[in-house]
Amino acid sequence: DTAVSQTPKYLVTQMGNDKSIKCEQNLGHDTMYWYKQDSKKFLKIMFSYNNKELIINETVPNRFSPKSPDKAHLNLHINSLELGDSAVYFCASSQVGANTEAFFGQGTRLTVV
Amino acid sequence: KNEVEQSPQNLTAQEGEFITINCSYSVGISALHWLQQHPGGGIVSLFMLSSGKKKHGRLIATINIQEKHSSLHITASHPRDSAVYICAALKNYQLIWGAGTKLIIKP
Repeated sequence: DTAVSQTPKYLVTQMGNDKSIKCEQNLGHDTMYWYKQDSKKFLKIMFSYNNKELIINETVPNRFSPKSPDKAHLNLHINSLELGDSAVYFCASSQVGANTEAFFGQGTRLTVV
Repeated sequence: KNEVEQSPQNLTAQEGEFITINCSYSVGISALHWLQQHPGGGIVSLFMLSSGKKKHGRLIATINIQEKHSSLHITASHPRDSAVYICAALKNYQLIWGAGTKLIIKP
């Protein structure tokens, strides 16, 4: 069973469109994250949710809106896509405060054309 | 200056060599992760350390909390070890990432 699953794996879309990336974890973790990997392969945190509550919201355009319907899901919705949004987006989960690993989804390669 | 610094940025070695990748951090952390990113892009968690040393197969990770330093070692390196290795410090609810070390092992 996949621990953290993201869909879709690849997403190609036109500028101005609205799209969503879904993330689900079956590990029972209470914290989920969204990261953006830029062209230099550096991972930057975008959002962190703990038990469906937003904990971290880094400087991200408000076109990006995370939604956590329950603690097993953290979806990323992006409005009015721009060329600069093209990147690989990673979802991750962990159990903060316990001695556990962070687990990552396989990534979603978003290409805005 | 990043809160988590890795060195070297790039490392090329011959098969069989002993590999060391270093990570220094300047923040108070609850744990430090070592992760591997394959050429295909997927990220795999290798270790999570809060003290001492962990070993898994040919991989060894150590951490010195007082010196705020961690190392990842690979013994008897193999071309399939070629990947980007990333250390990330866990602080509160945030993973603070190093820039990664690109490792290439030549046959």
